[in-house]
Amino acid sequence: QQQVKQSPQSLIVQKGGIPIINCAYENTAFDYFPWYQQFPGKGPALLIAIRPDVSEKKEGRFTISFNKSAKQFSLHIMDSQPGDSATYFCAAINNAGNMLTFGGGTRLMVKP
Amino acid sequence: ETGVTQSPTHLIKTRGQQVTLRCSSQSGHNTVSWYQQALGQGPQFIFQYYREEENGRGNFPPRFSGLQFPNYSSELNVNALELDDSALYLCASSLKTGGPYNEQFFGPGTRLTVL
Repeated sequence: QQQVKQSPQSLIVQKGGIPIINCAYENTAFDYFPWYQQFPGKGPALLIAIRPDVSEKKEGRFTISFNKSAKQFSLHIMDSQPGDSATYFCAAINNAGNMLTFGGGTRLMVKP
Repeated sequence: ETGVTQSPTHLIKTRGQQVTLRCSSQSGHNTVSWYQQALGQGPQFIFQYYREEENGRGNFPPRFSGLQFPNYSSELNVNALELDDSALYLCASSLKTGGPYNEQFFGPGTRLTVL
């Protein structure tokens, strides 16, 4: 059962472009939404996270937009660089705080 | 500060065998979670251990079992291996403080291949 749906599966942008990755969730018990970045051969690393009482959060070149009523959230990467080429996962966790539910992942390639 | 480490990095087993994967938590962390990541998919939660007790379990059969030791390191055991168990197994440690969410830090994973 996929409780967090992520799109697109893959994305190619030119350097400086703004890739956008979208996620939708079903479980209203989710109350924390992190994004992870994973490079080949590495484990996922936390990039940025948001709570549903906030509509937008920015950290450096990364921005999360959150729409609680639509149960959707998205990641924008400003001024993307070739070093941002990685797989990105959205995730959600409930207030028990023990189980991360991940989306299917988006493989991003930023061309020089 | 030492990050999360896992061993071995790669492992090849045959169907029906048993396997043990190991994880050392990041220094100061008291909670360990295990995830299975099939090729091209997102990680799926197997279970979490806190203070040597299971603290939540995902949709995995009982042949997936675990342990947490007093030093907070952990083992994942899988019995009667099946071909579909081939995956990257990720361990994540965190410090449970009583707050609503404690960031989980992931290790590099163990790549298990079942033939």
